[in-house]
Amino acid sequence: DAMVIQNPRYQVTQFGKPVTLSCSQTLNHNVMYWYQQKSSQAPKLLFHYYDKDFNNEADTPDNFQSRRPNTSFCFLDIRSPGLGDAAMYLCATSTSMGKGETQYFGPGTRLLVL
Amino acid sequence: QKEVEQNSGPLSVPEGAIASLNCTYSDRGSQSFFWYRQYSGKSPELIMFIYSNGDKEDGRFTAQLNKASQYVSLLIRDSQPSDSATYLCAVRGSSGDKLTFGTGTRLAVRP
Repeated sequence: DAMVIQNPRYQVTQFGKPVTLSCSQTLNHNVMYWYQQKSSQAPKLLFHYYDKDFNNEADTPDNFQSRRPNTSFCFLDIRSPGLGDAAMYLCATSTSMGKGETQYFGPGTRLLVL
Repeated sequence: QKEVEQNSGPLSVPEGAIASLNCTYSDRGSQSFFWYRQYSGKSPELIMFIYSNGDKEDGRFTAQLNKASQYVSLLIRDSQPSDSATYLCAVRGSSGDKLTFGTGTRLAVRP
């Protein structure tokens, strides 16, 4: 089945230790998104790629970076995680960004910072 | 004013009842509206979307949109305990490029 896959599902890291989260998709969608969701909060868009074009949200901390080496894969790098970065990180994809486009989410990676 | 507002709940309904979930949005030019279901510890799952004023039905779910009032709702008929989850409203605004999510309404269906 076509799907969005995230690895790992759970990640424990130490304060300040870089961490990379992975997302892959078999949907062949052009757009890939990274969201951060904290408990009882709305998913917050960090950035997205439309093909190779990278779009960073204005309030995304510099600590967060992303790479998309090809259509199928997208990575979220957190350079120096702080305690406040503990959250669920959600990857989503869509065919495009038009009015009718829906986003499909992966299962998420829960990040714990010690 | 938040861009997308939802009552956090919990909304508690008995099994078999109709659950009504509401969402208001601030961008009058918003184009499309989505309802996602999110079980605890899981990722959001798309239930349905609506673009035009009026009702849209899909099985036990009905989405209602009133652009003049900037209001979108989700009705769940014959609610089941398995419907117990947080329901997220998401809106694609006038810029058309991204979704803005509400914080969600937690629904609890009592057996």
